Amino acid sequence: AQSVTQLGSHVSVSEGALVLLRCNYSSSVPPYLFWYVQYPNQGLQLLLKYTSAATLVKGINGFEAEFKKSETSFHLTKPSAHMSDAAEYFCAVSDRAAGNKLTFGGGTRVLVKP
Amino acid sequence: DSGVTQTPKHLITATGQRVTLRCSPRSGDLSVYWYQQSLDQGLQFLIQYYNGEERAKGNILERFSAQQFPDLHSELNLSSLELGDSALYFCASSVAPGGVDTQYFGPGTRLTVL
Repeated sequence: AQSVTQLGSHVSVSEGALVLLRCNYSSSVPPYLFWYVQYPNQGLQLLLKYTSAATLVKGINGFEAEFKKSETSFHLTKPSAHMSDAAEYFCAVSDRAAGNKLTFGGGTRVLVKP
Repeated sequence: DSGVTQTPKHLITATGQRVTLRCSPRSGDLSVYWYQQSLDQGLQFLIQYYNGEERAKGNILERFSAQQFPDLHSELNLSSLELGDSALYFCASSVAPGGVDTQYFGPGTRLTVL
């Protein structure tokens, strides 16, 4: 079975500082990986996805993630945090053997300090 | 706005009751997914439909059922409700059930069981 682990349920960063959110996955087949963001009282919005092309994936709002097979990781980064980045972030892996259902990590809530 | 609509936005009901949640996918999307988000279980996949047929099943209780209609909208039926069913229920849609297709999430229905 596939699984996703997100290290740190809460992360606090200063405005302008680096944002680093960690995600490790477990998959028996080459994975498709996703990062979603959830703002308060809203649904999930796709930030970026990895589908076995380039290992460095650029997404919306200045976010990017690097797929590292040897480390089974897909960490999300943003060079400079903005107040509007305060939200909850979810890493997910797609189960291609089960209709492409997404298995999500526990989420990381990001707080941005002025 | 993802293009996925869900109604109602909020639902408050009592234990033992039955409710129906409705989802309209993005125009052109044939696949619909249902997810449950709760504090203790996180985001969990419930069930997936593709062009009217059930495609994959997750941790969906027997008290829960779903269907996708010819116009591609989907309904999730929850019966004999318990306090623990209180959660945010998301619908997502994608063009097809293939792994690379992005799942677009609706705003969710918040269910409160009293």
